[in-house]
Amino acid sequence: ETGVTQTPRHLVMGMTNKKSLKCEQHLGHNAMYWYKQSAKKPLELMFVYSLEERVENNSVPSRFSPECPNSSHLFLHLHTLQPEDSALYLCASSPRTGPRGDTQYFGPGTRLTVL
Amino acid sequence: QQQVKQSPQSLIVQKGGISIINCAYENTAFDYFPWYQQFPGKGPALLIAIRPDVSEKKEGRFTISFNKSAKQFSLHIMDSQPGDSATYFCAASPLYNQAGTALIFGKGTTLSVSS
Repeated sequence: ETGVTQTPRHLVMGMTNKKSLKCEQHLGHNAMYWYKQSAKKPLELMFVYSLEERVENNSVPSRFSPECPNSSHLFLHLHTLQPEDSALYLCASSPRTGPRGDTQYFGPGTRLTVL
Repeated sequence: QQQVKQSPQSLIVQKGGISIINCAYENTAFDYFPWYQQFPGKGPALLIAIRPDVSEKKEGRFTISFNKSAKQFSLHIMDSQPGDSATYFCAASPLYNQAGTALIFGKGTTLSVSS
């Protein structure tokens, strides 16, 4: 596998379910990101992890819980979601934690539908 | 002040024509301006990027023009091809911080190139 992979690609869940999204990067990068992409809205940054430490939490509801066990893996744990949380969830990674102009490499996304 | 405003929302161009997408920002602390291209079912992929110390950057048929005083930048696609049909996002990131780069995205432009 190369690049950034995400599983599952599609997920349908009820409002009372608990599920997790997984992201894996095979690029040796140090920073990883979760974004939410909704129709007709800009991509919204949710979380940033730098060297496995969360460095940004963009006012995301607590029903979304990220986890970064190592620099190659990132999870997004979901519980008691709302229908308005239905969206494409994108994971990205970038090679360095510091310098300007980090290029972010995106995975294909998980299409989440909350019923 | 953190917004990036992108226009038009959608664009139809004849094959061989020039596609132009515009973005504007307010935050003078932004210093990195990438454009991402996204095909259906895929994550966004970096197309071309510019820093404010240059006014233009060209890579093949793709050119970014940057106007620092007007706080505007645009993407020009020369000799547009049907394979260029995709959604294009401009983005900007603030000055260096020691964490990963937090990109602020525009809402996207859906480009259709008719043959």
